[in-house]
Amino acid sequence: RKEVEQDPGPFNVPEGATVAFNCTYSNSASQSFFWYRQDCRKEPKLLMSVYSSGNEDGRFTAQLNRASQYISLLIRDSKLSDSATYLCVVNNMNRDDKIIFGKGTRLHILP
Amino acid sequence: EPEVTQTPSHQVTQMGQEVILRCVPISNHLYFYWYRQILGQKVEFLVSFYNNEISEKSEIFDDQFSVERPDGSNFTLKIRSTKLEDSAMYFCASSENGNSPLHFGNGTRLTVT
Repeated sequence: RKEVEQDPGPFNVPEGATVAFNCTYSNSASQSFFWYRQDCRKEPKLLMSVYSSGNEDGRFTAQLNRASQYISLLIRDSKLSDSATYLCVVNNMNRDDKIIFGKGTRLHILP
Repeated sequence: EPEVTQTPSHQVTQMGQEVILRCVPISNHLYFYWYRQILGQKVEFLVSFYNNEISEKSEIFDDQFSVERPDGSNFTLKIRSTKLEDSAMYFCASSENGNSPLHFGNGTRLTVT
């Protein structure tokens, strides 16, 4: 099983709709989780950290399910500017301190 | 807002040449990283650096690669003898501690011809 898995998409979603992505991770000892967004040929930018109790930042909601080893990202009232690749990032914090990126999920918001 | 800066933004080099990619991490951050991304592929971990030494490196980070923090502000990645397959976007990142999110620089696009 790959360390961090995401559906590559693309998700083609009309503007204003709600869209959700999941990301699964294989290491049950993983300690911290993040969602990043990456625009074409740009650097990854932190969208939000994912906390155990779930957290919300405006139109974005992130959740963590430790039992099933997945995190999710929900985007409400999607905007054209939300079009990007969304990267799931897991910090294993084992003795190797390894931070693993998923391959990303591509999102296209359609006008 | 403080940011990670990388230079140059684009580097073209011939196969077999040495390149040095430069990064200035955020000043109060303690952990430093290099990642690379081949066009159309995922972001791949190369190396992490903490307390003036490499804390972890991936299989990609072979003897051709080295990192240095020569003066307390710069963090460099050197590729001794570049290969065609080293062509990629190289991202430097830093974080405050081992559990906090990474902040990335704008990247250096390396083209090996």
